[in-house]
Amino acid sequence: EVQLVESGGGLVKPGGSLRLSCAASGFTFSNAWMSWVRQAPGKGLEWVGRIKSKTDGGTTDYAAPVKGRFTISRDDSKNTLYLQMNSLKTEDTAVYYCTTHRSGSFDYWGQGTLVTVSS
Amino acid sequence: QSALTQPASVSGSPGQSITISCTGTSSDVGGYKYVSWYQQHPGKAPKLMIYNVSNRPSGVSNRFSGSKSGNTASLTISGLQAEDEADYYCSSYTSSSTWVFGGGTKLTVL
Repeated sequence: EVQLVESGGGLVKPGGSLRLSCAASGFTFSNAWMSWVRQAPGKGLEWVGRIKSKTDGGTTDYAAPVKGRFTISRDDSKNTLYLQMNSLKTEDTAVYYCTTHRSGSFDYWGQGTLVTVSS
Repeated sequence: QSALTQPASVSGSPGQSITISCTGTSSDVGGYKYVSWYQQHPGKAPKLMIYNVSNRPSGVSNRFSGSKSGNTASLTISGLQAEDEADYYCSSYTSSSTWVFGGGTKLTVL
């Protein structure tokens, strides 16, 4: 059974940093492309970024609002995905979901972790 | 990259069929087969319902179907059931090597 468990969310001040983690199990993590998707309170879904598997180059792509501030990385030895968030803004407040990324879609989702950016 | 355009709400009675549209441009929906649909119940994570325009993942009811014409994709739910009441989102790959979601549609089963 595929499981994705996010952690690391919390309250942070504007301009601060936070690192989210996503522990994966139930599939071959090293072969998977992974994405982060966020959802602001009461709002719709927003794609944050994606990382390819190392065999496919391990490259990343990001949405314009987070490019240059957020970094996605992976540790295949720990089956863990990361999202490093710097220079946080109030508009980054959202539930952040970790997802597997297959056939151009987001096929498995974690339960999400809430990030609140507020002074 | 602007969000894809979906109606804010649709409704239908049990047993009826409804269709949710998702309009983009030739740089996203119209240009790629990577259009997918997600169902989200309140307080829950989204669930993949349709991928690559019209394919259903294992375990998803065949009451759900997808299609695309030009820059508009559609999700059709036939034989509406109370449990189908949820928010639905479309998503597409874009020419910028990014992904974009629609604004979401709230489905109410009357």
